[in-house]
Amino acid sequence: QQQVKQSPQSLIVQKGGISIINCAYENTAFDYFPWYQQFPGKGPALLIAIRPDVSEKKEGRFTISFNKSAKQFSLHIMDSQPGDSATYFCAASMQSSNTGKLIFGQGTTLQVKP
Amino acid sequence: EAGVTQFPSHSVIEKGQTVTLRCDPISGHDNLYWYRRVMGKEIKFLLHFVKESKQDESGMPNNRFLAERTGGTYSTLKVQPAELEDSGVYFCASSQDRRGYTFGSGTRLTVV
Repeated sequence: QQQVKQSPQSLIVQKGGISIINCAYENTAFDYFPWYQQFPGKGPALLIAIRPDVSEKKEGRFTISFNKSAKQFSLHIMDSQPGDSATYFCAASMQSSNTGKLIFGQGTTLQVKP
Repeated sequence: EAGVTQFPSHSVIEKGQTVTLRCDPISGHDNLYWYRRVMGKEIKFLLHFVKESKQDESGMPNNRFLAERTGGTYSTLKVQPAELEDSGVYFCASSQDRRGYTFGSGTRLTVV
């Protein structure tokens, strides 16, 4: 019940295309859903986050779509660029808990071809 | 502001040896977390400090792992004795409000 399932494991997209990464969760107590971007040799960096009372959040070329009834959320990268090539992690947490620990998905390695 | 600093960045040790990882959080961040990513799998929570107190250590794999946070500043994670399955990347993160995490670059631990 604490798992977050992420797919696909890897993704290759042409420059200018749309990259879509999907995540699903079971625990309805999760109330915060961030996406992290990680470049080789670096730690994960917060990219964008959403709360379950919102169905979509957009920041520049990055959009989170959230489907509360299906317990799914996805990251869309519009006009993908080679510089977007990285590993992406979805995560979930219960901000109401006394720890706020993140439950991560397995990660998606994105390669954007020029 | 300075980020979260971890060292060493890499460590290769033999099975049975002891290794200590260090994390310096962002100054003023009371919350400090340790996570680990084993090859190709998800990043998993290990434990959470609030200042010098352990708030949640439910993710610690076993009693070979010992975490401390002296005076609510830097933290150390000691693995003693190390086993092959302890290999992975250990991340430290800090936050003010348990939401806006800042991760360090990680320590890649290889146990041979």
